[in-house]
Parts: sequence; structure tokens; C-alpha cells
Amino acid sequence: GDSVTQMEGPVTLSEEAFLTINCTYTATGYPSLFWYVQYPGEGLQLLLKATKADDKGSNKGFEATYRKETTSFHLEKGSVQVSDSAVYFCALSGGAGGTSYGKLTFGQGTILTVHP
Amino acid sequence: NAGVTQTPKFRVLKTGQSMTLLCAQDMNHEYMYWYRQDPGMGLRLIHYSVGEGTTAKGEVPDGYNVSRLKKQNFLLGLESAAPSQTSVYFCASSYSMTGDRHQPQHFGDGTRLSIL
Repeated sequence: GDSVTQMEGPVTLSEEAFLTINCTYTATGYPSLFWYVQYPGEGLQLLLKATKADDKGSNKGFEATYRKETTSFHLEKGSVQVSDSAVYFCALSGGAGGTSYGKLTFGQGTILTVHP
Repeated sequence: NAGVTQTPKFRVLKTGQSMTLLCAQDMNHEYMYWYRQDPGMGLRLIHYSVGEGTTAKGEVPDGYNVSRLKKQNFLLGLESAAPSQTSVYFCASSYSMTGDRHQPQHFGDGTRLSIL
């Protein structure tokens, strides 16, 4: 079945540092890939997405490129802020072929803490 | 701008008790989902629904039942609560799959459930 693996956390950075959170996936077919963010006490929010190989998703300074050859979708940001402190989830949909009804397969999440 | 609303936000149960979690969405979404979030495991799909009157099992359905009597509501029931069901439960909804079949999901803020 489909699976998503994220780098182990937690990740602690100083403000303005460069961020990378690694995400790799296993799926048949042609999945769409997503990054969701969860702020403390809240539900998940879509951060960015990519629906086909070589697509780059971007939002709020975050970027991720769909790399089919390496089955990866790493999240990057050039300069993090304290307000970026949250849990980040990589997820995929539609990898198993056929009709997936939008079901998401999540990675385990990466806790990011940014210090001033 | 309510989006996805979950009730209650917190609940403590004793083993063997029953309860129902309510999810309501006002975006006219066809698809709705129930997930549970446990430390280090990301989110796992319990049940989902692709339309009013339909439900289907997800990855971890045992011990839960669901109903979708109205398009805007998706209920998750625990008939006989067990300590292993202590978790944070999230409801999500999305548009149905069309040309762009991978629609992002919109999440509620979660229900924190403790089973003693």
C-alpha cells in the first residue's frame, strides 16, 4: 500500500535559518502530494500541493518540488520565523490507482520550533 | 466562515461508555472523513463518506461506527469505549473528485478524547 516517511523530529532552528523537512513516499500510480501544517490547538491546514511530477508547490515562503525519480517531496523555506513553529505533515492522495475518493496517507509529522 | 466544526472539543469517558462525535461542514462538500491522531503516527483514516447515506471503512475502523444522514453532517460513534481509543479525532471534508481529482481536505479543530 501507499506510505509516506518524514524525517524524524523535532527540528529546532533559530529565526532566519534555512529549513528542510524531508519527505519520501511509496505509491503506485500517480499520486498528488501535499504538505499540511498544524498550529498548536488547531486542525490541519493545507500549506501547499503538487499534482504531477516536477510541479513545484509554494505558499507563505515554503516550497516543495514533486520528484518522481527520487519519490520525494521535501519542504523548504529560506528564512523561518517564530510564527512558523508548528507540526508539518507530508501526505499523498490517489497513489493506489483507481478511485481513491481523496483519501490521504500521512507521514508521522515533524515538529518545528523556531527560537528568536 | 465556519468551515468544519467538531463537537465536543474535549471529553473524558470511562471504559465501556458510548458517545458520538459530531462533525458539521458548511462548504457543501461531498466527501467527509474521520481521522485519529496519535503521537508519532500521523493521522490515520477511520471511516469516510463520499456522499449522503454512504460510508466506508478506512485504515483503522474497528470499534467505531459512522453515519451520514445529512450531507453536511458526519457522526462518529464509539459503542463501547476502550483506553486504546484515547486520541485526538479530526474530521475533514473535501469536494468530490472531478477533472482535478485530488482535492485538498479541510479540517476541523479536533476532539480530544480520553478513555479511563
